[in-house]
Amino acid sequence: EDQVTQSPEALRLQEGESSSLNCSYTVSGLRGLFWYRQDPGKGPEFLFTLYSAGEEKEKERLKATLTKKESFLHITAPKPEDSATYLCAGGTSYGKLTFGQGTILTVHP
Amino acid sequence: GAVVSQHPSRVICKSGTSVKIECRSLDFQATTMFWYRQFPKQSLMLMATSNEGSKATYEQGVEKDKFLINHASLTLSTLTVTSAHPEDSSFYICSARASEGAFFGQGTRLTVV
Repeated sequence: EDQVTQSPEALRLQEGESSSLNCSYTVSGLRGLFWYRQDPGKGPEFLFTLYSAGEEKEKERLKATLTKKESFLHITAPKPEDSATYLCAGGTSYGKLTFGQGTILTVHP
Repeated sequence: GAVVSQHPSRVICKSGTSVKIECRSLDFQATTMFWYRQFPKQSLMLMATSNEGSKATYEQGVEKDKFLINHASLTLSTLTVTSAHPEDSSFYICSARASEGAFFGQGTRLTVV
């Protein structure tokens, strides 16, 4: 059975305090590891897709990396507006996504 | 990135009535769209895969007669919650796969009273 596990469940940071979110996955036929940001009451906002181990992608203060078993979302010098739930998901070639439970990030000013 | 539009964003209906939710890919064509359900403080759970021109594929435990899916064109999929009951109250989100990734609609908050 496909499984995606995120840790920690919740993370509280001070503004400027860098940290990382973890996503461990077991997805048969993986064709992409996806990261999303979700704000309360809204649909997930696409951040990154990673396709192969060793791949890295960056967007503003976010950087996503991928190994054969895990993905990390690094947040450098976060700001309060980065507060959200961050979701990772394993995708198959068919397009189906298996989501982790998410990490709730709170950045205090 | 690609844009997926979902309508309505929120709906309140009486128990026993049906509700239709629309999902449109605005700037790309999607032969396949996906419908998810999200309960408070939980992650997204795939309900069904919508295929243009053919029957939808439902995940185990999802009632196909309650959640009717129609994918009439390459840019539109609809989810109809039939004979809605309070336990159907949830956040429903659609998704479509574009070349650069999988994109989601804004979600629909359904409340059945």
